[in-house]
Amino acid sequence: GAVVSQHPSRVICKSGTSVKIECRSLDFQATTMFWYRQFPKQSLMLMATSNEGSKATYEQGVEKDKFLINHASLTLSTLTVASAHPEDSSFYICSARGGLYGATNEKLFFGSGTQLSVL
Amino acid sequence: QQQVKQSPQSLIVQKGGISIINCAYENTAFDYFPWYQQFPGKGPALLIAIRPDVSEKKEGRFTISFNKSAKQFSLHIMDSQPGDSATYFCGGQGAGSYQLTFGKGTKLSVIP
Repeated sequence: GAVVSQHPSRVICKSGTSVKIECRSLDFQATTMFWYRQFPKQSLMLMATSNEGSKATYEQGVEKDKFLINHASLTLSTLTVASAHPEDSSFYICSARGGLYGATNEKLFFGSGTQLSVL
Repeated sequence: QQQVKQSPQSLIVQKGGISIINCAYENTAFDYFPWYQQFPGKGPALLIAIRPDVSEKKEGRFTISFNKSAKQFSLHIMDSQPGDSATYFCGGQGAGSYQLTFGKGTKLSVIP
């Protein structure tokens, strides 16, 4: 199946630091990528949808100035947590859809997640 | 987002038994229903998925049963193994948007 690589897998930072998380589709072109946030023992909450070459669409309640999303190419989307604070500590997961052939378009492939801990 | 209601929240099954997880959806525009398996500290991995024009889909020990009129679908794991212990999420996805609405998850524990 298609592979989505997410990096880093874990980051610990001081309060006020900005953290960048990368999400890459390794063997297909991802026209759309999604960013999720997951708290312990809870489901994934969609934060934003990013389309290559255009501005991300944020879900209600998600601060776009706090969670900066860039989808500069068909294989890379980045999430930057600006001036992170302890309440931003969470598990962040990206997913990607798309490909050259219609059969893969409906499927979402997930990265392995990034555990962010803000001290 | 339209809800996808998932139950039970947690499930304990003996090795070799059948694990059953149920989901109900509200949005009739959904046309793709995947199940994801997630291990601690990892992202979800697609396990099996079904479209509403099919009532059942089987892949190995995993089967989805789909009831379109009741807007319900379920995951059956036959011959459950300790390695199946994970959190399972059902989802609903509509054509065009490709946004996935997740259920709240079921933590499955398979005991020897």
